[in-house]
Amino acid sequence: DAGITQSPRHKVTETGTPVTLRCHQTENHRYMYWYRQDPGHGLRLIHYSYGVKDTDKGEVSDGYSVSRSKTEDFLLTLESATSSQTSVYFCAISEGRTYEQYFGPGTRLTVT
Amino acid sequence: ILNVEQSPQSLHVQEGDSTNFTCSFPSSNFYALHWYRWETAKSPEALFVMTLNGDEKKKGRISATLNTKEGYSYLYIKGSQPEDSATYLCANQAGTALIFGKGTTLSVSS
Repeated sequence: DAGITQSPRHKVTETGTPVTLRCHQTENHRYMYWYRQDPGHGLRLIHYSYGVKDTDKGEVSDGYSVSRSKTEDFLLTLESATSSQTSVYFCAISEGRTYEQYFGPGTRLTVT
Repeated sequence: ILNVEQSPQSLHVQEGDSTNFTCSFPSSNFYALHWYRWETAKSPEALFVMTLNGDEKKKGRISATLNTKEGYSYLYIKGSQPEDSATYLCANQAGTALIFGKGTTLSVSS
């Protein structure tokens, strides 16, 4: 299995609080992605990174920001969590040759 | 947005049946089509990456074909087994990112 971890794995937070999710890889892959999984929507891309300090928006980026200060870590921040951001969040990495993605175990976030 | 449509949404078959699903995608500006298998309570795992019109790839009892001119790909499972029960996702590659379909959920009864 590709070396990808996500932390925390589960989190419950209140509306209006900031939340940061971490994705860590040991594969030295260039590309990293954040998705959310919701019933009826499948996997939707939030943000992605194509290198250190290089990021771009996905299809559902509103309310989220990201940072990548080093190759191995990609952080997803909800500045002020809302109930609509209750979801399962998956991180993925890709080495960029075929862009085949390897997924982390997911983080279940509940915003009450 | 390079919309990806998958059909059927769900499927229930008996052990030993062969089955297939469809993935439709825009045929213009095509780069690659990916298939993933996603078991309940696990993470998606890559099955195939397909780039050329007419591509056919196989992994065990699972195979896939690609038609880039008309914008579709088929995933076939021969002799379904209960362990094949999962959601099968296809994704259209847009630059360095993937746009996923909503998946086809397969349930195989023994």
